[in-house]
Amino acid sequence: GENVGLHLPTLSVQEGDNSIINCAYSNSASDYFIWYKQESGKGPQFIIDIRSNMDKRQGQRVTVLLNKTVKHLSLQIAATQPGDSAVYFCAENIYGNQFYFGTGTSLTVIP
Amino acid sequence: DAGVTQSPTHLIKTRGQQVTLRCSPKSGHDTVSWYQQALGQGPQFIFQYYEEEERQRGNFPDRFSGHQFPNYSSELNVNALLLGDSALYLCASSPRDRGNTEAFFGQGTRLTVV
Repeated sequence: GENVGLHLPTLSVQEGDNSIINCAYSNSASDYFIWYKQESGKGPQFIIDIRSNMDKRQGQRVTVLLNKTVKHLSLQIAATQPGDSAVYFCAENIYGNQFYFGTGTSLTVIP
Repeated sequence: DAGVTQSPTHLIKTRGQQVTLRCSPKSGHDTVSWYQQALGQGPQFIFQYYEEEERQRGNFPDRFSGHQFPNYSSELNVNALLLGDSALYLCASSPRDRGNTEAFFGQGTRLTVV
């Protein structure tokens, strides 16, 4: 479960476009995932979560997709805004124990 | 409803000293986990407390210890500080009866060891 990683370390998008941030995990036993947003100098902010018995979950402007077959997670942000600029982490959890984080993807929104 | 609060926000210590960081969990949460985040990295799990006992521990030396109080608040203690202990220390709280899902983080304590 320690090998939670992200495909792209940086991502730049135009304001108003949709953003997709990807995450790969290695432990097939992981049963719960959270996406966090972290702005400079602040703690991680909970965005959206998903359990392993689901393949999609939607929030306000965000959607998380889970593909257990290939152990892949993605975060889609609709109509990206400058305030969405931050580092995004996916975190995996097994049986309510500790979370494993990847190194994060830095999202930059170009006005 | 106050979220997770941590104190202090910043701290500068000298190598070899000891430090205590504090965390108050979100209302309704009874489990507290501590993480260390080095610059440019994701948070790394230190340990988790529930019912005033350490329940899980990550790959950190015994210099890192903690405590949880009856009101669910928690402390992280680090002895014999090393320069490499400089990092952002994060506290996360979660509800045990919901499988420790919905983990929320505090703003962190930025520790600098000189």
